Amino acid sequence: EPEVTQTPSHQVTQMGQEVILRCVPISNHLYFYWYRQILGQKVEFLVSFYNNEISEKSEIFDDQFSVERPDGSNFTLKIRSTKLEDSAMYFCASSERSGSSYEQYFGPGTRLTVT
Amino acid sequence: AQTVTQSQPEMSVQEAETVTLSCTYDTSESDYYLFWYKQPPSRQMILVIRQEAYKQQNATENRFSVNFQKAAKSFSLKISDSQLGDAAMYFCAYHSGGGADGLTFGKGTHLIIQP
Repeated sequence: EPEVTQTPSHQVTQMGQEVILRCVPISNHLYFYWYRQILGQKVEFLVSFYNNEISEKSEIFDDQFSVERPDGSNFTLKIRSTKLEDSAMYFCASSERSGSSYEQYFGPGTRLTVT
Repeated sequence: AQTVTQSQPEMSVQEAETVTLSCTYDTSESDYYLFWYKQPPSRQMILVIRQEAYKQQNATENRFSVNFQKAAKSFSLKISDSQLGDAAMYFCAYHSGGGADGLTFGKGTHLIIQP
């Protein structure tokens, strides 16, 4: 069964450093998403991406964040200058189309630890 | 903005018994979708069940069923014949039917299965 994959599974970085989290969505999916889950808290939507541009973004997704689809398979989330409060699980998801009739399939997540 | 509330931080049930997890939401929209996601210790988000707001019939998926009360804005999940593998965090989520892409999650309920 096709699945969303994410690398790395765990990333440790120092405050102020740039990090890139990588995702490979399911191959025939067109819509891509990033979510964040701070330890012990709820999952929060960051951004959605379609047709090589941001479709929607939340208040969390400020200028420190950017997303890119550099090739036909990868979908990346970049944090330019990490802060301690960026420590969280980051989940990538993809769907065939927008709207809820098409499920968002989640990857296993990347645990980001900022020290 | 839509909000999703899960008032039970933790629930415990004996194996083979039935348990109901509560979820309420707030929205001014008439077209929307509701979901229950399961997050086991592996942290991957897995869709359990979905409900379209325009459907009066409650969704069921094997041992999982929902009680959708649109007027009360309530969306509870019933798990019948609980199994040890059901132990996980359960998140209720809302998706707008109006085109917004991101899911809005509740804070989650930690379900413990007692053998």
